[in-house]
Amino acid sequence: QKEVEQDPGPLSVPEGAIVSLNCTYSNSAFQYFMWYRQYSRKGPELLMYTYSSGNKEDGRFTAQVDKSSKYISLFIRDSQPSDSATYLCAMKYSGAGSYQLTFGKGTKLSVIP
Amino acid sequence: SAVISQKPSRDICQRGTSLTIQCQVDSQVTMMFWYRQQPGQSLTLIATANQGSEATYESGFVIDKFPISRPNLTFSTLTVSNMSPEDSSIYLCSVGGQIGSYEQYFGPGTRLTVT
Repeated sequence: QKEVEQDPGPLSVPEGAIVSLNCTYSNSAFQYFMWYRQYSRKGPELLMYTYSSGNKEDGRFTAQVDKSSKYISLFIRDSQPSDSATYLCAMKYSGAGSYQLTFGKGTKLSVIP
Repeated sequence: SAVISQKPSRDICQRGTSLTIQCQVDSQVTMMFWYRQQPGQSLTLIATANQGSEATYESGFVIDKFPISRPNLTFSTLTVSNMSPEDSSIYLCSVGGQIGSYEQYFGPGTRLTVT
């Protein structure tokens, strides 16, 4: 079993839809959780990061962490064509000196006008 | 967040040759990282580059194949040596955020094709 599982999609939704992107993980030592957005031929861009279980909201984006289920989600409200990209979840162990991020494979999202 | 640039943005190389990728950051950073992104695969950390010390390589990556330099706090290079078609990938430079934070920011990547 891979440490981080992410459905690669592709996921296609109409403009204005609510999008739900998810990752599961197997190692309870992961304590920090991030979502990156990667446009075609660009580097990943940090969207959101969370530490504790619960929700964190930033504009149209909501990150949700459920440590008991080892499950994280990213919700996009009122999706726009400009949201079309690959979304990568990433996780990190806690502790000083621990810098390595473990990534999911990414979910390719297309928002159709 | 830091502004990160990489050179070259893409290259096509013959097998057996080497390519050096440069990463420049607009501010001084302690931690710099090199990742590989292969088609359909997760981003994989190659090594962590600290200024003034040897790079730390992850399992499966060795210095002879991926030598790294970190001459100062704003610059690093990654060399892909003796290339084979299996080295065709996107190579990404990343930097850490504020000391004590866990954020990492990525450069635009270098798309390498080995023929």
